[in-house]
Amino acid sequence: DAGVIQSPRHEVTEMGQEVTLRCKPISGHDYLFWYRQTMMRGLELLIYFNNNVPIDDSGMPEDRFSAKMPNASFSTLKIQPSEPRDSAVYFCASSTDRGVYNEQFFGPGTRLTVL
Amino acid sequence: KQEVTQIPAALSVPEGENLVLNCSFTDSAIYNLQWFRQDPGKGLTSLLLIQSSQREQTSGRLNASLDKSSGRSTLYIAASQPGDSATYLCAVGSSNTGKLIFGQGTTLQVKP
Repeated sequence: DAGVIQSPRHEVTEMGQEVTLRCKPISGHDYLFWYRQTMMRGLELLIYFNNNVPIDDSGMPEDRFSAKMPNASFSTLKIQPSEPRDSAVYFCASSTDRGVYNEQFFGPGTRLTVL
Repeated sequence: KQEVTQIPAALSVPEGENLVLNCSFTDSAIYNLQWFRQDPGKGLTSLLLIQSSQREQTSGRLNASLDKSSGRSTLYIAASQPGDSATYLCAVGSSNTGKLIFGQGTTLQVKP
């Protein structure tokens, strides 16, 4: 199994631009999570999906952030417009049934820099 | 609100030493506790998962314990090796929110 796949691995953009991060979960996993990691705040859950449906998006910082999961093998996290304070490493993780109560498998992350 | 604290923030030990990493949490309403390893520029690798009904889990040279009533977990690493150098993160699965709450991590350096 290839594990959780994220792309791109690194993204550098200018303030105001749209950024789209992509994630392919492990096949057969019903839960998908998006996290953000910064030095100041550590790892924070942004949103998670169960069977492609968003369950909890209370961690999404503001309306500039949106996430979709059009099918079981693909999810996107979009930031529009991007701001320098969005600079962070964004991780995607997936899990089998029982979601957060089961082991989560993390992707390698996307390091986002907004200038 | 669940808060997870890891002490120390950084640790440097000589190769071969046994060591203990600490994790504490404020709310005992947890489903499980996970220890992760993160290498620089990489994602997180799950090391051990302890369900709330369990007291400990072991994998190779790693042993994790859980004391839910006191809000504490420890990760014991035996006979440390330079390859163990990484950041170790503890995360609790909150029964109230259904989310994983992470500590800030302990960065371990094992010197040859």
